Amino acid sequence: DTGVSQDPRHKITKRGQNVTFRCDPISEHNRLYWYRQTLGQGPEFLTYFQNEAQLEKSRLLSDRFSAERPKGSFSTLEIQRTEQGDSAMYLCASSPPRGWEQFFGPGTRLTVL
Amino acid sequence: AQSVTQLDSHVSVSEGTPVLLRCNYSSSYSPSLFWYVQHPNKGLQLLLKYTSAATLVKGINGFEAEFKKSETSFHLTKPSAHMSDAAEYFCVVITNTGNQFYFGTGTSLTVIP
Repeated sequence: DTGVSQDPRHKITKRGQNVTFRCDPISEHNRLYWYRQTLGQGPEFLTYFQNEAQLEKSRLLSDRFSAERPKGSFSTLEIQRTEQGDSAMYLCASSPPRGWEQFFGPGTRLTVL
Repeated sequence: AQSVTQLDSHVSVSEGTPVLLRCNYSSSYSPSLFWYVQHPNKGLQLLLKYTSAATLVKGINGFEAEFKKSETSFHLTKPSAHMSDAAEYFCVVITNTGNQFYFGTGTSLTVIP
């Protein structure tokens, strides 16, 4: 399968723990995006990478959130000291160098107890 | 600033009848617009996109949308609904830098047999 992949698909954690999610974009896609989706809502933009550079961050991305894309390929999203309000689906998407459409992965569902 | 408004949170149609999902956009420039579909427990899939070429855009699975600048609308239509069309549909506008997608709140489509 050559689509966007995300790992893990599900994560249950206790409040206060740190979690890290991984996203592998479609190969040769230089742009990568993270979104958060809560029940009954559309996805909300979190952050954007072009190659390894993080070019844009939403105000939703508090200090507890950090994202990296060290070699311009896969990306990680870390949430420190998780809170119950962090429970959501975290989506990753990638785009090719030409074209604006984004290709989404299946998401990581986070539940914070 | 750019945004999209999906006018109906739920739409219910009978199998074989037309589908109309409404979307209005707000943008200070000529926008690029997309429709995505999200089936339960599956990733977001691109249905179609408008990027300032033809105003009538054809997508996958028999869906199409018409860009109407005078009405700031980008409604999604399909002549005949199929059971497999039951899903959540999102209208999306992209920033002029291409860095952010703004999703609508979604329309849940139910198809009655």
